[in-house]
Amino acid sequence: TQLLEQSPQFLSIQEGENLTVYCNSSSVFSSLQWYRQEPGEGPVLLVTVVTGGEVKKLKRLTFQFGDARKDSSLHITAAQPGDTGLYLCAGEKNTGNQFYFGTGTSLTVIP
Amino acid sequence: DSGVTQTPKHLITATGQRVTLRCSPRSGDLSVYWYQQSLDQGLQFLIQYYNGEERAKGNILERFSAQQFPDLHSELNLSSLELGDSALYFCASSVGRGATFVDTQYFGPGTRLTVL
Repeated sequence: TQLLEQSPQFLSIQEGENLTVYCNSSSVFSSLQWYRQEPGEGPVLLVTVVTGGEVKKLKRLTFQFGDARKDSSLHITAAQPGDTGLYLCAGEKNTGNQFYFGTGTSLTVIP
Repeated sequence: DSGVTQTPKHLITATGQRVTLRCSPRSGDLSVYWYQQSLDQGLQFLIQYYNGEERAKGNILERFSAQQFPDLHSELNLSSLELGDSALYFCASSVGRGATFVDTQYFGPGTRLTVL
């Protein structure tokens, strides 16, 4: 059973469009991370959110942590081909600094 | 550059063989995590070490084992290799200071294992 479910699993959009990726769970996390991974490379950390309701912006990317710290969203404005990749969310549980990864969202931005 | 190093980058071997993958964590990080990622799949958590001790176990096969050494580097040993073991293997590290500290994982570049 996957602790964190991401949706959609696949997304193909035109350059310039907006999109939102969701990361949902029934469990509470002490923090949540978003990563972007390109083929054959390791996941690269984009952001860590800690406080319920927290919103963080990274250029055209906006990350939100749910009020109850059970879910998160990633919104990309005016997507560019360079945004193409696999987006992974990961929740941290306090006990033992253990991390649980989501199922992943594969994004393709078509020029 | 995340500061986590992994060697080798590529490994090609035959079924039935044994290989060792190596990981050096970021300076100051005490926790090391190993993950397996097969083609078009998400990250599967294998095992976590903290300061030399095993802390958590995921879907790690009995043919696989790991350890973390006093200098905090870690090795993942894969034996009796099968075709299905072909995958990317990632190491990640974190500070791992404990329950009241918000932690973040940083990933290495991975080792691509091909079993022929």
